[in-house]
This record gives sequence, structure tokens and C-alpha cells, in this order.
Amino acid sequence: ETGVTQTPRHLVMGMTNKKSLKCEQHLGHNAMYWYKQSAKKPLELMFVYNFKEQTENNSVPSRFSPECPNSSHLFLHLHTLQPEDSALYLCASSQGSSDTQYFGPGTRLTVL
Amino acid sequence: AQKVTQAQTEISVVEKEDVTLDCVYETRDTTYYLFWYKQPPSGELVFLIRRNSFDEQNEISGRYSWNFQKSTSSFNFTITASQVVDSAVYFCALSENRDDKIIFGKGTRLHILP
Repeated sequence: ETGVTQTPRHLVMGMTNKKSLKCEQHLGHNAMYWYKQSAKKPLELMFVYNFKEQTENNSVPSRFSPECPNSSHLFLHLHTLQPEDSALYLCASSQGSSDTQYFGPGTRLTVL
Repeated sequence: AQKVTQAQTEISVVEKEDVTLDCVYETRDTTYYLFWYKQPPSGELVFLIRRNSFDEQNEISGRYSWNFQKSTSSFNFTITASQVVDSAVYFCALSENRDDKIIFGKGTRLHILP
């Protein structure tokens, strides 16, 4: 596989569930990102990882927990979400800071 | 502070017309990068172009062209002879050299009508 992949592509979960989103990049990049895109709102940067170290946490609620075990994989662990967390969650990667970010197809999350 | 403004929320044009998407940015840095991304209905953001602040040359790629003007802090995107497949949301974005994040505009939704 090439580029940035995300699984699952669609996820429906209840507010008490625990689930994880997975992102994998096959580009040899060193930085990975999580974004949230809600309807009629701008893209919101959630987390940034550089060389597996978290360098940005944009005041994201603790019910979202990122994990970056290596430069190629990024997870977003979800628990006790709210209906307003329903959105498209996009993962991206880049070679380094300020370099072009390449995006995955996203996971469309619905919280019931 | 960084800011990217895409004043056009939604545009509709008839196929084969030319259309320009506006982008105005704000930054205090002298070194920065500007981007355009396309988001078709499938959801994935597709990278279109990246320009650095020292390169003001206009760029043309097929039916796409970009006009970068530092004097007006604008980085406009023109699609010539538009096609239905160009229908998407287009995002302009800015990154400063010292920063590890890209600031996106709110996007312009483009409808190309057959």
C-alpha cells in the first residue's frame, strides 16, 4: 500500500464504547497529525507527533487519547465520547515541520 | 498570529467557465509556505501545490494556475475550463518555517454545473 491509510473508514459507536482509529503512512515521514473536521467548521488540528514525540495538543479533551508507537503508525483511542464528537477524523503525515502534509481518506465517526 | 481567509464560502459555475478561488493570508514571518488542497466528496484532502514565500512566480499545471502576490498577501487559485470533476471543497493553508503545523482556511465549496 502507498500513501496514508486509515481504518476503519466508518465507525458508529455509543457514548460508553471504547474504540480506536488507526493511521498508517508508507511515505517514510517523521511527523504525523490528527485533525477533526466537523460539518460547517474549519479543520481543527488535534495532535502532532514528530519522531514519535507529541509536540502539539490543541486543548483536546482527554476522552481522545493519541498513541504513536513508531513513525509509521498513529492511533486515536476514543472513550466516553459525546454526540458532538461526531465528525470526519483525518490523519496526515509529513517529512518534517512545515513540509507538505499528505492526508489519509479519513474515518467518519458517528457517536450515538 | 497566523490567519488564512477564504472569503468565498460557496461558488457555482457552469462547466467550461473559468473560476478563481481567493485566498488572503496574514503572517509576521518572512519565511512561510502556502498550500492549496482539494477535498472531493470522498473526504480525503488532496495536495495540489506548495509555494514558499521567496518564490513569487506564478505556477501553471494543466488547467490549474496559482497567482501569488506578496504585496496583497494573496495566493489565488484559478481553474480554467472547469469540469464537473472539479467540484469539491478547496482549502488554502499557511505554514511558518518555525512551526510544525499548517493553518487552514475555512474552505470554498465549488460546484461545477453540467
